[in-house]
Order: sequence, then C-alpha cells, then structure tokens
Amino acid sequence: DGGITQSPKYLFRKEGQNVTLSCEQNLNHDAMYWYRQDPGQGLRLIYYSQIVNDFQKGDIAEGYSVSREKKESFPLTVTSAQKNPTAFYLCASSLDRVAEQFFGPGTRLTVL
Amino acid sequence: AQSVTQLGSHVSVSEGALVLLRCNYSSSVPPYLFWYVQYPNQGLQLLLKYTSAATLVKGINGFEAEFKKSETSFHLTKPSAHMSDAAEYFCAVITGAGSYQLTFGKGTKLSVIP
Repeated sequence: DGGITQSPKYLFRKEGQNVTLSCEQNLNHDAMYWYRQDPGQGLRLIYYSQIVNDFQKGDIAEGYSVSREKKESFPLTVTSAQKNPTAFYLCASSLDRVAEQFFGPGTRLTVL
Repeated sequence: AQSVTQLGSHVSVSEGALVLLRCNYSSSVPPYLFWYVQYPNQGLQLLLKYTSAATLVKGINGFEAEFKKSETSFHLTKPSAHMSDAAEYFCAVITGAGSYQLTFGKGTKLSVIP
C-alpha cells in the first residue's frame, strides 16, 4: 500500500532536548511538507521541500530544522530553541506544487 | 497574500439534515481549492478539490462544493448528515502564484446530533 508513515505516534520530550520526528513516503512524490497543528489554529507550515537536497522555510520555521537526503524521507528536528513545541505535527507529500497533499497520521509531541 | 476564512468554528446539525460548511478565500489569481476532513488524533484526508474544471465538485462520502468566483466562496455541502460525518473540516487554497503554499482555514468542527 502506498502512503505516508510518521513515527512515533506519541513523543515526550524534556525541556532543552532536541527530538527528531520521522516522515517516510512511498508515493514517489517530489514535494514534502511539515505542518504544526494547535487547537483552533488550523495548520501552519514549518518547512517544505520540492526536491531532494533542497528545502525552504515556511511561516513558523524558527526552532525547527529539516533535511531531505532521500526522496522518500523528510525528518523534522524540534530543537531546544523552539519555545513552545507541544503540538500535533503532520507530514504531507504531493506530486507537485499544486497537486493535492496526502497526509500522514501525525505525531503528538508533549514537552514535560 | 492569500487567506482562507471558515465561518463558524463549530457547527451542529441533526442526523439527516443538510450540512453546510462555509469557506471564503482571497486571491488575486485563479485559485486551487481543497476541502479536507480530520478525525480525532488522525491526519487529514482529502474530500474534494477544485482545479478550474467544473465549478460544482463532487467528493467522497457524498460531499460536494461549488466554486463561486463572484462571491470568492467554496462552501461544502452534504444533503443528509450521518453520524460518521462528525469531524473537523478544513478549507485550503493554493493560488498558483509566488510560493504555491497551501494555506488552511482554521477549521470547522461538525457535530451530528442523533
């Protein structure tokens, strides 16, 4: 089955720690995205990548970093510089910039 | 800059009643428009999309939406609500100009009353 997987489903972090969220897709999509979802806020774009080895900041990139070394993988690191990281994180991919985006099941990050 | 406004953060309907979820967008160029549904603690699933073909777009689970350029609207409807329709719905737009970023509305939570 083609799709997007995210791991882990739940993640707990102590203040001051960096954590990495995994996102893998086997849809052969060129574009991949990371969103943050907070209650009542909708989805906000953190980073996106249109092609391997290239990525751009979204609206709320501060405190986050990404890499795109392989077409199928787009991991997100939440650094200690992110002041309020507790949120639901969603990864998505699409064939191109205007095609519909397909979403993974999400990772819920909680800072203790 | 593009933006999306969803009127009503919460909408309640009775089972069997019409569902109407409102979405208005702002865009200086012809947009690509999408409706997504999200069930609790899950990712988003595409319901339907408008990409400048027919103005009335049919989606999954009996939903449809009509693109009205003069009103800059893309409202989502379903003739008869089912209990399984209870979820959060997001309208989103890509204008195809500049960054091609998908911009989401803040969502409307639909409750279905038996």
